[in-house]
Amino acid sequence: GAVVSQHPSRVICKSGTSVKIECRSLDFQATTMFWYRQFPKKSLMLMATSNEGSKATYEQGVEKDKFLINHASLTLSTLTVTSAHPEDSSFYICSANPSSGRLNEQFFGPGTRLTVL
Amino acid sequence: GQQVMQIPQYQHVQEGEDFTTYCNSSTTLSNIQWYKQRPGGHPVFLIQLVKSGEVKKQKRLTFQFGEAKKNSSLHITATQTTDVGTYFCAALGSSNTGKLIFGQGTTLQVKP
Repeated sequence: GAVVSQHPSRVICKSGTSVKIECRSLDFQATTMFWYRQFPKKSLMLMATSNEGSKATYEQGVEKDKFLINHASLTLSTLTVTSAHPEDSSFYICSANPSSGRLNEQFFGPGTRLTVL
Repeated sequence: GQQVMQIPQYQHVQEGEDFTTYCNSSTTLSNIQWYKQRPGGHPVFLIQLVKSGEVKKQKRLTFQFGEAKKNSSLHITATQTTDVGTYFCAALGSSNTGKLIFGQGTTLQVKP
């Protein structure tokens, strides 16, 4: 099956710093990637849809200036949490659907656990 | 916005017992997908249902899509400890962008 990687897997940072998370599709191209946030024992909350070569589409209530998304190529999307604060601590997961569109199945990255001190 | 409700939130069973999780939507769904997330892991695609009344089986897992395409269920027969995890249903959003709307998930614990 298709593989999606995320880097880093875990990051601890001080309040006020910015953190960049990378999402890569390793063996397929993806014109669209999705960024989710998951709190402990909770469901996945879609934050934004990352579109290759164009602006990301953010879900209601998600600050686009806080969570910067760049999808510069068909295999890479980045999420930057700017001026991170403790309430931004969470598990961030990306997913991608192959451009070939097989059954709309989404392949998830392993996630990035962000802890802001 | 579009919502998918999933129950129960938690289920503890003895190994060998059956388990079922249910998803409901107030609107008709084009399809429904099911994912499994192991503790500490990420969601993994299990299956997609598209047709009204569709039933699909994967070994001990049985997936159903309601006749009205507003509800779905996942049933596990004779649970094993390897079935532990959180099961999510997900529906395609109405905007045709491929984004998924996830249910709240059902966390299954299996006592050996």
